[in-house]
Amino acid sequence: GENVEQHPSTLSVQEGDSAVIKCTYSDSASNYFPWYKQELGKRPQLIIDIRSNVGEKKDQRIAVTLNKTAKHFSLHITETQPEDSAVYFCAATRSTSYGKLTFGQGTILTVHP
Amino acid sequence: NAGVTQTPKFRILKIGQSMTLQCAQDMNHNYMYWYRQDPGMGLKLIYYSVGAGITDKGEVPNGYNVSRSTTEDFPLRLELAAPSQTSVYFCASSYGSGRAIETQYFGPGTRLLVL
Repeated sequence: GENVEQHPSTLSVQEGDSAVIKCTYSDSASNYFPWYKQELGKRPQLIIDIRSNVGEKKDQRIAVTLNKTAKHFSLHITETQPEDSAVYFCAATRSTSYGKLTFGQGTILTVHP
Repeated sequence: NAGVTQTPKFRILKIGQSMTLQCAQDMNHNYMYWYRQDPGMGLKLIYYSVGAGITDKGEVPNGYNVSRSTTEDFPLRLELAAPSQTSVYFCASSYGSGRAIETQYFGPGTRLLVL
């Protein structure tokens, strides 16, 4: 089955800095990679996703890049703000897998004012 | 739309007790999922369903059972609760169509403590 590794486990940045979180996956057939943000005591919420037919996707301050050859994808947050502080999860699945997501272990992002 | 709803929000069980975690969605999604999230960890898939009457095991199904009699509801049954089942349980749903992958929407979660 799929295995997703996520690094770093914790990340501390100053407000305005950029943050990068990286995930690697094992199943070369995986073709959908979502990123979820989870605030303390809340549900995971999708912030951005990417499919294997594109290499990069942006949404305002958030971007995701995908390297299929190396089997890794990364979340980039620019101009970080204190409200970006949360746990971020990457996940992966393949289109023949009924959407079953395999999650990474999570990254605790802290943005200091 | 209420989206995905879960009840109860929090429950304390004694070892050996049983309970049912309720999950409902009003988005007419055919795919539904149950995940558990242990402290400081990612989410792991327990069971999933691709439509009424169709369910299958995920990565960590032992100690759980599910049923899907309607499109809207996907209850998770815990039999003989054990301390290892202390976790936060999230239900999710998505629209599934052949090989298309759609966004999964999560419920607010049920926090379960087994003592």
